[in-house]
Parts: sequence; structure tokens; C-alpha cells
Amino acid sequence: GAVVSQHPSWVICKSGTSVKIECRSLDFQATTMFWYRQFPKQSLMLMATSNEGSKATYEQGVEKDKFLINHASLTLSTLTVTSAHPEDSSFYICSAREGIAGNEQFFGPGTRLTVL
Amino acid sequence: GDSVTQMEGPVTLSEEAFLTINCTYTATGYPSLFWYVQYPGEGLQLLLKATKADDKGSNKGFEATYRKETTSFHLEKGSVQVSDSAVYFCALSDPSGYSTLTFGKGTMLLVSP
Repeated sequence: GAVVSQHPSWVICKSGTSVKIECRSLDFQATTMFWYRQFPKQSLMLMATSNEGSKATYEQGVEKDKFLINHASLTLSTLTVTSAHPEDSSFYICSAREGIAGNEQFFGPGTRLTVL
Repeated sequence: GDSVTQMEGPVTLSEEAFLTINCTYTATGYPSLFWYVQYPGEGLQLLLKATKADDKGSNKGFEATYRKETTSFHLEKGSVQVSDSAVYFCALSDPSGYSTLTFGKGTMLLVSP
């Protein structure tokens, strides 16, 4: 199957700093990318959906000014957590899909963010 | 809104035992249903799917049947292996729009030799 990578796999930062997480589709063009957040023993919660070259669509309750998403190319999307606080500590997972709705999403391995 | 409920884990089994992980859903319309598996340190992988009522998805010895009357999509395997130890997620997708996925909380399966 197609491969999606995330970088970094884990990051620790101080409160008030910003952190950028990259999501790359390695062998296909990702028309649409999704960002999820997962708390321990909880399900994946969709944060936002982005199409290449367009602004991201955020789910209700997700602060778009805090979680900046850029999908500048067909192989790269970034999530920037701005002015991070301890409550932003979580596991962030991206997925990517080629082509139309209904095609399979391929998931990255996730990024563990810890804010001190 | 749409939701998925799956049994809490961990599920602990001996090798060659029969596996059932229950999954029920709430959704409007006719969603597609999925099971994803996450092995330690890896991303979620699609295990199987079903797109309409009475469809049976199957892969690697796992199977699940889309039961609209009971709004269920239970995962089964007749004989588990140690290598099946992972976290299993049930999910549904609205077939319209972006086809975003709604996940259950995941069920950890631990298989011992």
C-alpha cells in the first residue's frame, strides 16, 4: 500500500513555543489530507481536512488560529501548534488520500507531542 | 452526529483462540464501515471494509459483516496468532463529501503463545 510519513515521531517543547509537524505522502499524490488527534484510550478525533492549495476545513471546536494547517503541495501537509500549552500534549496523526472521496485513506505513524 | 462504539479492551487470548470484537454504530444514511489495525509503532492500516448492508469484508483471516438491522460490524477471526496482537479500530465513513472517518476508541488485542 501507499506510504505516509510523519516527522518528527515525537517532540517535547516548552509552554508558549510553536511546534511544526510534517506529513508526507511518499509514493502518491495526496489530493486530500486529514489531521487527527488521539488522547490515551480514546478514539481518533478529526481536527481538520485540507485539499492541496486550499484553506483547511476545521471541525467544530478546533481552534484554527492555534492549529495552523498548510497543504502547499500534493505530497506535504504541515500542522503547526502555535503557543503550545500542556493541554495540547497529545498524539497527532495524519492521513492522506489520492483522488476522489471514497478512496482509501493512508495513515502516518503519528507524532507524540509533549508540552512542558 | 455519527458515532462508533466498540468493546473495551484489552482482549487477551491464547494462540488459536476464536476472536470477536464487537462494534456498533449510529449514523444517518448508509455509511461505509471499516476495520483498521494499528501494530506497535506503526500507522493505522485498513484491514477490511464493507460498503453496503449484508456485505462481508474479509482479509488475513479476519471478517466482518455489515448488519444494518442491528447497526453492527463485529470483527471475527477463527484462530488468532501472536502476530495479530495490535489495536483494532472500527470506523464509519459518510459516503458523501470528503468521506471523513469516524472512529471507535480502539480495542487492544493481546495474543499469547
